Amino acid sequence: AQTVTQSQPEMSVQEAETVTLSCTYDTSESDYYLFWYKQPPSRQMILVIRQEAYKQQNATENRFSVNFQKAAKSFSLKISDSQLGDAAMYFCAYRPVSGTYKYIFGTGTRLKVLA
Amino acid sequence: NAGVTQTPKFRVLKTGQSMTLLCAQDMNHEYMYWYRQDPGMGLRLIHYSVGEGTTAKGEVPDGYNVSRLKKQNFLLGLESAAPSQTSVYFCASSYSGQVPYEQYFGPGTRLTVT
Repeated sequence: AQTVTQSQPEMSVQEAETVTLSCTYDTSESDYYLFWYKQPPSRQMILVIRQEAYKQQNATENRFSVNFQKAAKSFSLKISDSQLGDAAMYFCAYRPVSGTYKYIFGTGTRLKVLA
Repeated sequence: NAGVTQTPKFRVLKTGQSMTLLCAQDMNHEYMYWYRQDPGMGLRLIHYSVGEGTTAKGEVPDGYNVSRLKKQNFLLGLESAAPSQTSVYFCASSYSGQVPYEQYFGPGTRLTVT
């Protein structure tokens, strides 16, 4: 069965510092996509970044970047120059390219940003 | 372009009552999903649809029914609400195709069953 694990229920970071959120997944598929979503207190789910498994280059979106290790099945999110607005729940998600239309989500990591 | 909208945003039900949650999207997406979010459990898939007139069960379908009579709407029904169905419900939609595009989410519905 395909699973997504986020082992850090909660993380804290000082404003302007860097933090890394962990995500591991289990799959026998070779082609898939991985996503990080942000859920602020408003509850609205917002896509942060997307990684295609066949691309070795790590995705980057402004202050957000990923460290994608396909062999280790690891997909961590790095937030640089953390801002108060980054405080939120972060969810890692997986979906294979073929075989299913379902997305598998991790249990989330709550990020606190300290002023 | 409103994206994905959900109605209502909040609801309180008594055990045994029924209700329908409405999800609407204006992006012409083929795929639509209903999730529930509970503390410490992330998002769990209830039902999903890959096109008008089609529905399929997700991870936690018991106690829920769905319908997709129009492409832009996906309804989630609770026939006889139970306290275990107290949760935040999210609808999502995405483009179809071989490439798994990201999902677009609605703002959520907080449901309390007493």
